[in-house]
Amino acid sequence: GEDVEQSLFLSVREGDSSVINCTYTDSSSTYLYWYKQEPGAGLQLLTYIFSNMDMKQDQRLTVLLNKKDKHLSLRIADTQTGDSAIYFCALAQLSSGSARQLTFGSGTQLTVLP
Amino acid sequence: GAVVSQHPSRVICKSGTSVKIECRSLDFQATTMFWYRQFPKQSLMLMATSNEGSKATYEQGVEKDKFLINHASLTLSTLTVTSAHPEDSSFYICSARTDNSYEQYFGPGTRLTVT
Repeated sequence: GEDVEQSLFLSVREGDSSVINCTYTDSSSTYLYWYKQEPGAGLQLLTYIFSNMDMKQDQRLTVLLNKKDKHLSLRIADTQTGDSAIYFCALAQLSSGSARQLTFGSGTQLTVLP
Repeated sequence: GAVVSQHPSRVICKSGTSVKIECRSLDFQATTMFWYRQFPKQSLMLMATSNEGSKATYEQGVEKDKFLINHASLTLSTLTVTSAHPEDSSFYICSARTDNSYEQYFGPGTRLTVT
């Protein structure tokens, strides 16, 4: 099955950029997502990218996809204290059929220091 | 739009009792709902996938007789933890999607504590 890896922790200073990385093994991944989870809460979809795209920007968020290296990244510009949370990458494959089950990475705890 | 609610948000029950968790799509019809379990500081583990009007499909290692899933309507799915034990204590999250969407919308989660 799909194996999705993320670094567990990342600390940045307020105002700096954050880059959260994700690597995966299944090259048939079609939909790639980034979710944010705040303490005790569910998951909030931040952004997504299709496998036929290399880059997507949405306000402070930039997603880069390197299909050759099977590497996905999320860049948060001008990181704020409210961005402190756990960030999950998640992948879905066409092979999972119409259900499009998601495979999640382990999550990266982002801590924004004042 | 695309709001998913869960009820209750937090529940404490005694060992041996059963607990029902509801997942509702408030403003859309969810043809497929997913149930996840999340242990502290860990990722989400998919437990089962349910389609409206059908039996749920359980992931390997998930006991279907212990975790009963019902998806009786396009806006409601329930997860019943039967004969709960302390090791069932966890954060349970549901998500929902429609046939035409590539997005899964997540509920806020239910914290279950079995004493």
